[in-house]
Formats: sequence, structure tokens, C-alpha cells
Amino acid sequence: DAGVTQSPTHLIKTRGQHVTLRCSPISGHKSVSWYQQVLGQGPQFIFQYYEKEERGRGNFPDRFSARQFPNYSSELNVNALLLGDSALYLCASSMAGELDTDTQYFGPGTRLTVL
Amino acid sequence: ILNVEQSPQSLHVQEGDSTNFTCSFPSSNFYALHWYRWETAKSPEALFVMTLNGDEKKKGRISATLNTKEGYSYLYIKGSQPEDSATYLCAYPGSARQLTFGSGTQLTVLP
Repeated sequence: DAGVTQSPTHLIKTRGQHVTLRCSPISGHKSVSWYQQVLGQGPQFIFQYYEKEERGRGNFPDRFSARQFPNYSSELNVNALLLGDSALYLCASSMAGELDTDTQYFGPGTRLTVL
Repeated sequence: ILNVEQSPQSLHVQEGDSTNFTCSFPSSNFYALHWYRWETAKSPEALFVMTLNGDEKKKGRISATLNTKEGYSYLYIKGSQPEDSATYLCAYPGSARQLTFGSGTQLTVLP
């Protein structure tokens, strides 16, 4: 079975631009979560979507948005990019929407560099 | 903001040594505690999701214990091998049911 896939693998943008990151969950998984990881820190929660509805939002500005499609894939959008948005963006999927007790299956991440 | 602390930050051990590290989390309103292993250039991999005080889980040479009353979990690796080299992350949901990760313990096993 295919694991969680993310695209693109790497991305270079300039300040002020917009970026869209994509995630395909494991087949049968209905929940997708997004995390931002900067060097030296653990992943930081951005969003969770379950059954196409937003289930949770972390402490990120409104420049960050996401959505989940009927096939349970998801997009993370970031507008007006700042240098500080440079990070590894991880997507994780799980079968149900219970972030506290469900095992999360992570993708390989998208490395975003903002110049 | 939840305080999830991991120690030590990094650790170097010799092949064959056993080792352990700690994750501390708020002891009130416990929900669950997750452990993940993250090897360089790979995706984080789930090790355990622990939900009960006194839980002990095992996966091969790796085991974990949980004390929800005092707010800590230990991860043990018996007979470390070079392939165990990775960053080990714990994550705690908290009342918002959003995973808050610690900064991780970076383990290097020297052959």
C-alpha cells in the first residue's frame, strides 16, 4: 500500500508570493493534518481536516489556509510568504479524526525555502 | 501553550549499549502520549500511542513506559544498533486535542 505522499518535494519562492502544497493520504484514511517543522524544533500543528471539515487549527496567521477534497487529499496554502515561513511542511493522515489517540502516518514533507 | 519537554537533546552511545530518554508533559487532564522515530531523509514513523497510566509498550528492542500522574514517559532501547540512529519525538494532545511535539532526542549509535 502506498504511504502518505506529498508534492512537491522542494520549493523555492520569494517573499510575498503564494504557495500551494499537496498531500494524498493513505487509502481509507479520512483525516489529514498539516505540520510545520523548523530546524531544531518538533513539528508544530497547523491544521486538521476530517471528512472535508476543519477539525482544528493551530496558532498560525490567516495567511495559512487549507482544504480537503472529496477524495480526502488536501492542500495547504500560504499567502504573502515571509522569510520565516521557510520550513519543512509535513502532512499526516489517520483513519479517524481523533488526533489524540489515532496513530498519525506522516509523509516525507515538502521543503519550502523563501528567499 | 503546552509544555512538552524531551531530554536529553542529543545522545551518543556505542553499539550494544542500552539507553533511555524522557518526555515530560502536563500531568493534568491526560489524553494520550505518542512516540515517533524520525530517521534522516525519511518520514516520521509512529512507535507507540499510550493511553493508560502504567502502560508499557514494546516493539522489538524498543519499549516505553507511561506515568500520567507525574507527567512523564520513558523510551528505552535495548542493545542499540546503528540503524536506531534517529530523532525520537514525543507528542502530547492536550485539551485542544492537537498534537504538541517535543523538540526530540537525537540518538547516534556509534559502531
